[in-house]
Amino acid sequence: NAGVMQNPRHLVRRRGQEARLRCSPMKGHSHVYWYRQLPEEGLKFMVYLQKENIIDESGMPKERFSAEFPKEGPSILRIQQVVRGDSAAYFCASSPSRGYNEQFFGPGTRLTVL
Amino acid sequence: GQQVMQIPQYQHVQEGEDFTTYCNSSTTLSNIQWYKQRPGGHPVFLIQLVKSGEVKKQKRLTFQFGEAKKNSSLHITATQTTDVGTYFCAGRQTSGSRLTFGEGTQLTVNP
Repeated sequence: NAGVMQNPRHLVRRRGQEARLRCSPMKGHSHVYWYRQLPEEGLKFMVYLQKENIIDESGMPKERFSAEFPKEGPSILRIQQVVRGDSAAYFCASSPSRGYNEQFFGPGTRLTVL
Repeated sequence: GQQVMQIPQYQHVQEGEDFTTYCNSSTTLSNIQWYKQRPGGHPVFLIQLVKSGEVKKQKRLTFQFGEAKKNSSLHITATQTTDVGTYFCAGRQTSGSRLTFGEGTQLTVNP
C-alpha cells in the first residue's frame, strides 16, 4: 500500500518562473491538505481539498498561489511568478475522511527559488 | 484566529535524561494530535487525544491533554538517540476542522 507521494522531491526555480507541485494521496483517501514549512519553523496550513472541491483555502496567499484536486490525477499546488520568499518545504497530507484521526504526510517538495 | 504555542523551541539532553514539551492553545480544542519529524523527513503521526484530562502512553512516551482541553504535553522518559527530531502538537477547534500546528520542539540527544 503506497503512501502519499509527492513530486518532484526537489525543485529549483528562478524568480518569476512557475512552480508546480504534485501530490498523490494514499489509495482510498479523498481528502488532501497542503502545508508550507520554512526552515526551523512549524507547518503552516495552506489549503484543504476534496476531489474537485476546495474546502478551506484560508491559509493560501491571495495572489500567485492556487490549488486543485481533479477527479482524476494528483492534487496540484501551483505557484506563479515565484519569489525568493517562496523557498520552503511543501508537504501534502491525506486522510480518508474529514474527521479521521491522523493525516498521512508525503515526503515533501523542497522548493528553492534562485 | 486559533493559535497553538509550543515550548521550548529547542531542547538538548544527554541520553538517558527525560524530556518534556508543552503545547498551549488560545482556544478550547476538540482534539489534539502529536507528530514527530526526523531531520530531513516528514511529519509522522504519533497519537490523538480527545477527552479532557486524557493520558496515553506509548512505551517511553506519555501524552497528556489538559482538563480544560487547551493544553497538552509530551514526556519522554530516558531519551535515546533515536528520539532525535522535532515534535509538533496540532490542535483542532472542532471535529473535522483544519489542524493548527505548533512551532515544534526540536530535540537533540547527546550520546
